[in-house]
Amino acid sequence: ETGVTQSPTHLIKTRGQQVTLRCSSQSGHNTVSWYQQALGQGPQFIFQYYREEENGRGNFPPRFSGLQFPNYSSELNVNALELDDSALYLCASSSLDRGDYGYTFGSGTRLTVV
Amino acid sequence: SQQGEEDPQALSIQEGENATMNCSYKTSINNLQWYRQNSGRGLVHLILIRSNEREKHSGRLRVTLDTSKKSSSLLITASRAADTASYFCATDPSGNTPLVFGKGTRLSVIA
Repeated sequence: ETGVTQSPTHLIKTRGQQVTLRCSSQSGHNTVSWYQQALGQGPQFIFQYYREEENGRGNFPPRFSGLQFPNYSSELNVNALELDDSALYLCASSSLDRGDYGYTFGSGTRLTVV
Repeated sequence: SQQGEEDPQALSIQEGENATMNCSYKTSINNLQWYRQNSGRGLVHLILIRSNEREKHSGRLRVTLDTSKKSSSLLITASRAADTASYFCATDPSGNTPLVFGKGTRLSVIA
């Protein structure tokens, strides 16, 4: 059983640029959630995808968007990057169908916006 | 917004001692989960306790849940230096809905 893999591990972008982060879900999981974690804070929910449809969204502006693919992997896209977007972005997979409420997290992508 | 609030924010203990972290939350839940995070890396799921459970054990971990007080505690017994990490509680309001995390407790275990 493979875990959750995120890429890249680190990324430096310039303010105003766009970025795409990738996540492969754990085998057997059909739900992917994305979280943003600022330094010294707890993770903040961005959005969740279930079977390729957005299934909930946190308090993030529309320039944060996502996709889920038929193999349940996912992308997080952020347009018009701002300095405050610098954070650790975490992806977590789970299975809404199995009633198993635990999440498996990836190691995260550390995004620095300069 | 963050529903869970962990207490204390930081905790430093000697190896072999027990560590207790507390979590309070605001709204009703289906389950509450505890996670560990080492040095800004990914979160590792430790234990899940459902709203109809009061206590759960996993190895050296013991979690309690008091839904009337909207609080939970995580006890790590016989701590080791490798337990040094940040610990987060996360609430799931209605079952497999997005988790709501607190700000975490930073635990330092000194050898």
